[in-house]
Amino acid sequence: ETGVTQSPTHLIKTRGQQVTLRCSSQSGHNTVSWYQQALGQGPQFIFQYYREEENGRGNFPPRFSGLQFPNYSSELNVNALELDDSALYLCASSPLGQGFSGANVLTFGAGSRLTVL
Amino acid sequence: RKEVEQDPGPFNVPEGATVAFNCTYSNSASQSFFWYRQDCRKEPKLLMSVYSSGNEDGRFTAQLNRASQYISLLIRDSKLSDSATYLCVVNKGIGANNLFFGTGTRLTVIP
Repeated sequence: ETGVTQSPTHLIKTRGQQVTLRCSSQSGHNTVSWYQQALGQGPQFIFQYYREEENGRGNFPPRFSGLQFPNYSSELNVNALELDDSALYLCASSPLGQGFSGANVLTFGAGSRLTVL
Repeated sequence: RKEVEQDPGPFNVPEGATVAFNCTYSNSASQSFFWYRQDCRKEPKLLMSVYSSGNEDGRFTAQLNRASQYISLLIRDSKLSDSATYLCVVNKGIGANNLFFGTGTRLTVIP
């Protein structure tokens, strides 16, 4: 069974630019969550996608948006990048849809490390 | 107040030592608890769930104290391979937006 894969692994952008990060969920998983992990911090929940719709959102501004595709893969888009957006962006898939209730079902990808200059 | 608080460390311990980490959570209605391990520049991976009665997995023991709202992780006979950051995770309820990660406690096991 394939795990969660993310791309790109590293990227550098400048302030004001836009970025798209991609995630392929683990086989059999239909739900994708995105997290931001700043240096020295724990992962912060951005949002979750289930059945191609946003299903829960953390405390992130609207310039953070996403998509989920019929094959359950997902994209995270960040517009008008700011220096504080520099972080590791983690995608986690899970086999549950609505009613998700446990961290024990999350499988994380290796992340995309974004640097904003 | 943060949902989950951990001592960031670092904890530097010799091989074979016993080390314990604590994590406190703010919401008494929190329902489930976990410890994740994150190696340097890698993704978090589930280490173990934490059950009300406490649970053990080899050298690792997790405890939950609901009255004091903290969870703990004890590592016995530390190995070099235990060096990592240990993240405390608390679930307040249904929905991924109710899942909170601590900042992590960094452990380095020294030869």
